[in-house]
Amino acid sequence: GNSVTQMEGPVTLSEEAFLTINCTYTATGYPSLFWYVQYPGEGLQLLLKATKADDKGSNKGFEATYRKETTSFHLEKGSVQVSDSAVYFCALTPNAGGTSYGKLTFGQGTILTVHP
Amino acid sequence: DADVTQTPRNRITKTGKRIMLECSQTKGHDRMYWYRQDPGLGLQLIYYSFDVKDINKGEISDGYSVSRQAQAKFSLSLESAIPNQTALYFCATSDFPGSGQGNEQFFGPGTRLTVL
Repeated sequence: GNSVTQMEGPVTLSEEAFLTINCTYTATGYPSLFWYVQYPGEGLQLLLKATKADDKGSNKGFEATYRKETTSFHLEKGSVQVSDSAVYFCALTPNAGGTSYGKLTFGQGTILTVHP
Repeated sequence: DADVTQTPRNRITKTGKRIMLECSQTKGHDRMYWYRQDPGLGLQLIYYSFDVKDINKGEISDGYSVSRQAQAKFSLSLESAIPNQTALYFCATSDFPGSGQGNEQFFGPGTRLTVL
């Protein structure tokens, strides 16, 4: 079946530090890949996505590249801010038919705390 | 106004009680989902519905039931609540695959349920 593995947290950084959150996946075929962010007390919202190999998703200074050869979708940001403190979820959904079509599989989430 | 709303936002109940969580959406999506979030476990799919007449069990459906009253409404019920159902519950919606949104799901703000 499909699965997503994220680096374990929590991750604690100082403001302006470089961020990497690793994400690897197991899936049949070529899924769409997502990073969702959950700010304190809120629901999940889409941060960025990539729908095919070598695509780069980007938003709010965050980037992730769909790497088929390493089955990875690592999240990066060059300079984090206190406002980036949140829980980050990597997720995938199949792009083809079958019983999993359209359903998201999530990683366990990584808590990021950024200090001033 | 929010596209996906959930009521109540918080609920404390006692073991054995029946409780219903409600979800409404104004996005016009056919597909709706109920997830449960436990610390360190990411989100787990409880039930999903691809249209009003199509309801399917997810990974952890035992102890839960759902009702799709209309395209815009999808309710989750706990027939006899137990303490290990204490969690954060999220509703989500998505358009049909191939719509151009890359299978993105849109989440409500969540319901925090505590079963004593």
